[in-house]
Amino acid sequence: DTGVSQDPRHKITKRGQNVTFRCDPISEHNRLYWYRQTLGQGPEFLTYFQNEAQLEKSRLLSDRFSAERPKGSFSTLEIQRTEQGDSAMYLCASSFPGELFFGEGSRLTVL
Amino acid sequence: KQEVTQIPAALSVPEGENLVLNCSFTDSAIYNLQWFRQDPGKGLTSLLLIQSSQREQTSGRLNASLDKSSGRSTLYIAASQPGDSATYLCAVGGFEGETSGSRLTFGEGTQLTVNP
Repeated sequence: DTGVSQDPRHKITKRGQNVTFRCDPISEHNRLYWYRQTLGQGPEFLTYFQNEAQLEKSRLLSDRFSAERPKGSFSTLEIQRTEQGDSAMYLCASSFPGELFFGEGSRLTVL
Repeated sequence: KQEVTQIPAALSVPEGENLVLNCSFTDSAIYNLQWFRQDPGKGLTSLLLIQSSQREQTSGRLNASLDKSSGRSTLYIAASQPGDSATYLCAVGGFEGETSGSRLTFGEGTQLTVNP
């Protein structure tokens, strides 16, 4: 296992469409996190899981966003009815806990 | 609410120079602090993790210090190289019971350019 894997790396979609991102954490890590980063800013926390339990959600995570981590392994982040303001890099990270290790991110462009 | 500030926002130096990046945070009750590197369009690479009980950590040419009482951390890069060019991000983790340190608050980063 070489690290946190995210798919797809890039997604271009039209406003109003639904998109889903997948994250595969480092295999022995029980904590998984989603962050969002816009150009020129630091990442902002969205949500995190300990095993399959979603323990915290940021106020940034509107009702159009949903995240799951079935069986405590990979996670998906779905955005419904995308808006142009959703355009950002979506970053996934995992830990055991302690040090966070990030994936390469999934860049979303909403036209 | 924790706020993290990084100064300077951008820095350009000649190759070989030693440099210091600064990070300050408003709430000194932190669990840990982590420095990351981010290349354009890429994810974050962890550089150093400092627990709240520690004063510094070193990895190769990098040294990070933590002064929790004053709400400051510095990242020292020795003998800079063009390959060090990237954005450096500081992030602090707070106390949240058994999940302390899990939710990081990031600064906006320092964009470093090392010129050959």
